[in-house]
Amino acid sequence: SQELEQSPQSLIVQEGKNLTINCTSSKTLYGLYWYKQKYGEGLIFLMMLQKGGEEKSHEKITAKLDEKKQQSSLHITASQPSHAGTYLCGASEGGSGSRLTFGEGTQLTVNP
Amino acid sequence: NAGVTQTPKFQVLKTGQSMTLQCAQDMNHNSMYWYRQDPGMGLRLIYYSASEGTTDKGEVPNGYNVSRLNKREFSLRLESAAPSQTSVYFCASRGRRQSNEKLFFGSGTQLSVL
Repeated sequence: SQELEQSPQSLIVQEGKNLTINCTSSKTLYGLYWYKQKYGEGLIFLMMLQKGGEEKSHEKITAKLDEKKQQSSLHITASQPSHAGTYLCGASEGGSGSRLTFGEGTQLTVNP
Repeated sequence: NAGVTQTPKFQVLKTGQSMTLQCAQDMNHNSMYWYRQDPGMGLRLIYYSASEGTTDKGEVPNGYNVSRLNKREFSLRLESAAPSQTSVYFCASRGRRQSNEKLFFGSGTQLSVL
């Protein structure tokens, strides 16, 4: 089965700094999802990537899926306290109806 | 448009008791999923259903059973609850218009087993 490894497990940055979170798969990714979760709350959809080389941005968050489709990175520019939370990557093992598993998450703290 | 609805939101059980977590979606989605999330951890897949009438095991199926009652509903049953099943449970669904559509989540069920 597919395994997703996120790095780092936790990250503390100063407000205004840039940061990157990585998600590496043991198998080819058919669809890669990024979600954000505030402590004790539900999951907020950020982006979904499907094609090798694809890059999407939303406000100050950019996500890329590498050409070989086994790694994705999430980059936050000029971080703000509102970016704090846990970032989770999830991946599909095939088309619709296939397993969809998640990594263990990256806990981000942004100090003012 | 309610999306994915989970009930109950909170539940406390004693060891050995049974209960069913309910999940329903109103988006005509084919695939539905049950995950558990332990403190400080990511989501672990318990069971999933690719379509009405089919279910498959995920990463951590032991101690759970599921039923895909119809296209809308996917329930998760704990036959004999154990303290190790204390967790937050999330139900999710996605469609088939594209090969990989956005995954919609319910708001979660916080379960404590004493």
